[in-house]
Amino acid sequence: LAKTTQPISMDSYEGQEVNITCSHNNIATNDYITWYQQFPSQGPRFIIQGYKTKVTNEVASLFIPADRKSSTLSLPRVSLSDTAVYYCLVGVPIYNQGGKLIFGQGTELSVKP
Amino acid sequence: GAVVSQHPSWVICKSGTSVKIECRSLDFQATTMFWYRQFPKQSLMLMATSNEGSKATYEQGVEKDKFLINHASLTLSTLTVTSAHPEDSSFYICSARGPTKSSGNTIYFGEGSWLTVV
Repeated sequence: LAKTTQPISMDSYEGQEVNITCSHNNIATNDYITWYQQFPSQGPRFIIQGYKTKVTNEVASLFIPADRKSSTLSLPRVSLSDTAVYYCLVGVPIYNQGGKLIFGQGTELSVKP
Repeated sequence: GAVVSQHPSWVICKSGTSVKIECRSLDFQATTMFWYRQFPKQSLMLMATSNEGSKATYEQGVEKDKFLINHASLTLSTLTVTSAHPEDSSFYICSARGPTKSSGNTIYFGEGSWLTVV
């Protein structure tokens, strides 16, 4: 499983766009990039997953450059409720490895009023 | 959507006793579930893979005799912390893969269970 590196923490203000970048220099050809969100005392929640270029859903966008050695999670117009820890994971599609996930340190996002 | 539920949400036990945490897939069958442990301000650490009808697979450094895992049915996995000590106090989280291949890229996590050993 590819090792990931994320900033330990980030601060933002309500209404701003937040971009969290994850480095994964050793990503393999078959690896996907997945982001999870975790609130205190809760299990992680799936945010978005992608393989290349750009993926967008109702919650966030994921930008992946051509070399796939990094990825950026973009949260548009954050609110106080977006304060959480965000994890970047890299690995083969879940159904090929049964769902085993290895979490890195994550990025603690603090949104201020 | 698919839901994974844990019980209890929190438990306090005396040192030396055993405590069981349940993980249920509520509307789908999960042949494989996963157990994680998370200490405050730290990331999730995978403890073991729970396989229905067979022995669990433990990650390196996790004591299988201390953390007993049983996956007796397709919707239930249990984690029993035996002879608990204060250092076992932690947040325990389970997860399961989505029910079909089309949704199989999604892993569903339980709400987590706080264990405090006094």
